[in-house]
Amino acid sequence: KNEVEQSPQNLTAQEGEFITINCSYSVGISALHWLQQHPGGGIVSLFMLSSGKKKHGRLIATINIQEKHSSLHITASHPRDSAVYICAVWANSKLTFGKGITLSVRP
Amino acid sequence: DAGVIQSPRHEVTEMGQEVTLRCKPISGHNSLFWYRQTMMRGLELLIYFNNNVPIDDSGMPEDRFSAKMPNASFSTLKIQPSEPRDSAVYFCASSQQEGFGNEQFFGPGTRLTVL
Repeated sequence: KNEVEQSPQNLTAQEGEFITINCSYSVGISALHWLQQHPGGGIVSLFMLSSGKKKHGRLIATINIQEKHSSLHITASHPRDSAVYICAVWANSKLTFGKGITLSVRP
Repeated sequence: DAGVIQSPRHEVTEMGQEVTLRCKPISGHNSLFWYRQTMMRGLELLIYFNNNVPIDDSGMPEDRFSAKMPNASFSTLKIQPSEPRDSAVYFCASSQQEGFGNEQFFGPGTRLTVL
């Protein structure tokens, strides 16, 4: 059974700070997704990774297959980045979600 | 494109009633996914379709739940009979290619309350 752990559980940052959110999993995977859920409830897919690194605007996602770990970085954070960030892992024909991390960015 | 469309956006019903949730995926997308989100369990995959064919329904909680995709532009998730523990937000998502190795586009969700 794949366990997906996200850390930290909750995170508060000041506008402009560099933020890192982590996701660890326990089995070999086929793909990892980072999702963003806004306070209104809508879900947006940020990245899909199977190896390496991806960048989109101020967001960077990395994955280390050997260490079974992925990180989501936010540079120059802004209050509009306040959301829940969820990691989802596709492994052994099963999709497992992390519990999500609540990020609050203060102006 | 309007994105993934779900209806209704909110549904309040009484225990024992039949509930049907609807989803229209993005045109040209080949995979469709149904998810459920609750405070207790977070997000869960219920079922997904590739090219209108159900691939994995192991996440469907029990026989009261059923999903169909009669064509590439429409899917339904039905709960009969509904129970209070089915109260949740149900999301539909679609992706251009089959499986989970591609970006998914989520609908706005249907908030279901079963009294």
